[in-house]
Amino acid sequence: KAGVTQTPRYLIKTRGQQVTLSCSPISGHRSVSWYQQTPGQGLQFLFEYFSETQRNKGNFPGRFSGRQFSNSRSEMNVSTLELGDSALYLCASSLSSGFSGNTIYFGEGSWLTVV
Amino acid sequence: GEDVEQSLFLSVREGDSSVINCTYTDSSSTYLYWYKQEPGAGLQLLTYIFSNMDMKQDQRLTVLLNKKDKHLSLRIADTQTGDSAIYFCAESPSGGSYIPTFGRGTSLIVHP
Repeated sequence: KAGVTQTPRYLIKTRGQQVTLSCSPISGHRSVSWYQQTPGQGLQFLFEYFSETQRNKGNFPGRFSGRQFSNSRSEMNVSTLELGDSALYLCASSLSSGFSGNTIYFGEGSWLTVV
Repeated sequence: GEDVEQSLFLSVREGDSSVINCTYTDSSSTYLYWYKQEPGAGLQLLTYIFSNMDMKQDQRLTVLLNKKDKHLSLRIADTQTGDSAIYFCAESPSGGSYIPTFGRGTSLIVHP
């Protein structure tokens, strides 16, 4: 069974540009969540999608957005990139949403560097 | 709000046992997790424990939970160099948002 797949793995963008990251969840998983990981802030929750609807959202500015498609694949977008957006962006999938113990499985991440 | 604390570093000798500790504040936590992150990779789920359990063992891994003190530990027996990684503790509350809260991670360094 394939794991969570994220593309691209590595990318470099310039300040002011925008970026789109993609995530394919484990087959059968309908919930996709996104995290930002940086050395200074650790792992921070961005948002979670289930059945094409955003269920939960972390404390990030509106420049960070996402969506989920009918096949559960998800994309996140960051507009007007800032140097501080340089991070590892992790996608995680789980079977469903909304209850504790809903184990999440992570992808390898997308390394974004903003120059 | 919820908070999960871990020490940042742990150094052990190959063959010894490693114990990584974690404390959390949310008394409603029902599931507690340990994830492992190797360099350049995502987080790999190692094990988890339900809050009504005191201990869970899985091969070289032993998880101990002291719910009264809100203390969770991960013991790795016979630690190998391949165990060198960052280990994250996470807790998932029972009410409201179930989104897990992660600690900052403990870097385990195993030396020969």
